[in-house]
Amino acid sequence: GAVVSQHPSWVICKSGTSVKIECRSLDFQATTMFWYRQFPKQSLMLMATSNEGSKATYEQGVEKDKFLINHASLTLSTLTVTSAHPEDSSFYICSAREGRFVGDTEAFFGQGTRLTVV
Amino acid sequence: DAKTTQPNSMESNEEEPVHLPCNHSTISGTDYIHWYRQLPSQGPEYVIHGLTSNVNNRMASLAIAEDRKSSTLILHRATLRDAAVYYCILSVNFGNEKLTFGTGTRLTIIP
Repeated sequence: GAVVSQHPSWVICKSGTSVKIECRSLDFQATTMFWYRQFPKQSLMLMATSNEGSKATYEQGVEKDKFLINHASLTLSTLTVTSAHPEDSSFYICSAREGRFVGDTEAFFGQGTRLTVV
Repeated sequence: DAKTTQPNSMESNEEEPVHLPCNHSTISGTDYIHWYRQLPSQGPEYVIHGLTSNVNNRMASLAIAEDRKSSTLILHRATLRDAAVYYCILSVNFGNEKLTFGTGTRLTIIP
């Protein structure tokens, strides 16, 4: 079946530096990918919708200048956490669905990236 | 967005069936009912989805009420590997609709 792959699985960075997370759809094209953030013992919170060839759509309260999203191809979206701070430490997860009419199709999720900012 | 309501937690004995309920009283006619589960430190995993009729696959069964205002995910024979948070989500069938996660049900399997 279709697979969504995230890289890296975990990363530790120093406060003030930037971190890039990649999300790839391995055997299907995804015009849209979604980025979620999950804090310990909480549910997934949608951060933004990544659209191939256009600007991402951010959810209310998510800083677009801090969380840069690039969806340069139909199989790759990247999330860059700029000037990371300890409060950005979280589990970041991407998701993609194949096709346009998606209610009747499953969503695929990456394995997640655990970011720790020290 | 139509919302779903699930119990925060449930327990079940290993090798017994598990029935996970979900209420979605404001569901619209075009909303599909999706179930995903998340094992610890992993991304969510698709379980099953349906529109009106009951559905079966290798992982589980989905029983949908006739009025579609509730559904039940059935794990026929729970194993320890089924311990996870289970999310019931509604998804419309047009556009690249985002999935909005609620709090889900944390399922504990007792050996």
